[in-house]
Amino acid sequence: AQSVAQPEDQVNVAEGNPLTVKCTYSVSGNPYLFWYVQYPNRGLQFLLKYITGDNLVKGSYGFEAEFNKSQTSFHLKKPSALVSDSALYFCAVRDPPGGNTPLVFGKGTRLSVIA
Amino acid sequence: DGGITQSPKYLFRKEGQNVTLSCEQNLNHDAMYWYRQDPGQGLRLIYYSQIVNDFQKGDIAEGYSVSREKKESFPLTVTSAQKNPTAFYLCASKGSSGVGMNTEAFFGQGTRLTVV
Repeated sequence: AQSVAQPEDQVNVAEGNPLTVKCTYSVSGNPYLFWYVQYPNRGLQFLLKYITGDNLVKGSYGFEAEFNKSQTSFHLKKPSALVSDSALYFCAVRDPPGGNTPLVFGKGTRLSVIA
Repeated sequence: DGGITQSPKYLFRKEGQNVTLSCEQNLNHDAMYWYRQDPGQGLRLIYYSQIVNDFQKGDIAEGYSVSREKKESFPLTVTSAQKNPTAFYLCASKGSSGVGMNTEAFFGQGTRLTVV
């Protein structure tokens, strides 16, 4: 069965510094991978996805993620963090990738950007 | 505006009561999903539906029921059999299309259910 691991419950970074939120996955085939962000008492907002092709994918709000098949990772990155990036971030996988199979989510990583 | 609407935003339930959470979408999506969110546990799948009049159990379906009589609507009932229903409930939907298209799910704003 597919699974996603987010090894850090909390990530703290100073405003203006680069940020990384880690995600590793375990699937039987070639997955679709996703990152979502959640602000307090709100639903999840889609940030970006990896389907196929270029391993570096760019998404909303200046975020990007790098797909690494050999390390089974899909880390979320941003070159310069903003205080407004503080939120809860979820990595998710769909395997098999096609169709309407439900997403499987990691437990989330809380990002705190300090001014 | 197109989107997913969950109501109510906050819901209080007495012990032993059934309550129904509403989820409506006007995105013409075939698939709809219900997730439960608890602190530190991420999102866990309760039920999902890929087409009208059909639905499947997720990982934590016990104590919950759903229906899918219309494409736009996927209500979730939290029954008295659910022993610990206090949580944040999220509904999502996804379109069906070709490979690489309509791959992401879109989420509503959630309903926070509290047992009093």
